[in-house]
Amino acid sequence: ETAVFQTPNYHVTQVGNEVSFNCKQTLGHDTMYWYKQDSKKLLKIMFSYNNKQLIVNETVPRRFSPQSSDKAHLNLRIKSVEPEDSAVYLCASSSTRDTYAEQFFGPGTRLTVL
Amino acid sequence: AQKVTQTQTSISVMEKTTVTMDCVYETQDSSYFLFWYKQTASGEIVFLIRQDSYKKENATVGHYSLNFQKPKSSIGLIITATQIEDSAVYFCAMREFSSGSWQLIFGSGTQLTVMP
Repeated sequence: ETAVFQTPNYHVTQVGNEVSFNCKQTLGHDTMYWYKQDSKKLLKIMFSYNNKQLIVNETVPRRFSPQSSDKAHLNLRIKSVEPEDSAVYLCASSSTRDTYAEQFFGPGTRLTVL
Repeated sequence: AQKVTQTQTSISVMEKTTVTMDCVYETQDSSYFLFWYKQTASGEIVFLIRQDSYKKENATVGHYSLNFQKPKSSIGLIITATQIEDSAVYFCAMREFSSGSWQLIFGSGTQLTVMP
């Protein structure tokens, strides 16, 4: 099966803890992304990663960092979570070889910070 | 910077009717791509349909079609013969090349409820 996979589905933690979310794509894409979706369903790009080049949305706090071992994996680490980090985190991928660079999304990881 | 605006927060329609969801965009680019995505209740986001700015013909895929009005910077999504399972949040998006990477700029979404 070719798709974008994310683990875990849900994560509940306390303020100040470190969390890490995994993302893997089996679509052969060369670019991966992390989005944050807030309680109002607004989708905001956090990072994109292509050919070892990381593009960071300047509004993303420094406690967030992406980690990639290869072009099929892009994990997201949050060093010390804050209450405002409660959201759904969505991973996506696309191919620069594709004219339209359509993005395919994973199912998301719902983070709750107590 | 590009911007995508969806002013309709929610729409309710009866099953088997036609619904149109609005989207306007801002861009300085002469050539661009516009997309519509659907997010189901489970949270899954799936690609529905796209429009190339240089194509005059409105894109159509299944019971989804687009109303592309370039002079108005508008790209409406039309769903004909709506079904209960079309109930979802629909996002309009534009592709932007920023800092060496293609990114999607999303609108705020429109919640569609299809009633029996």
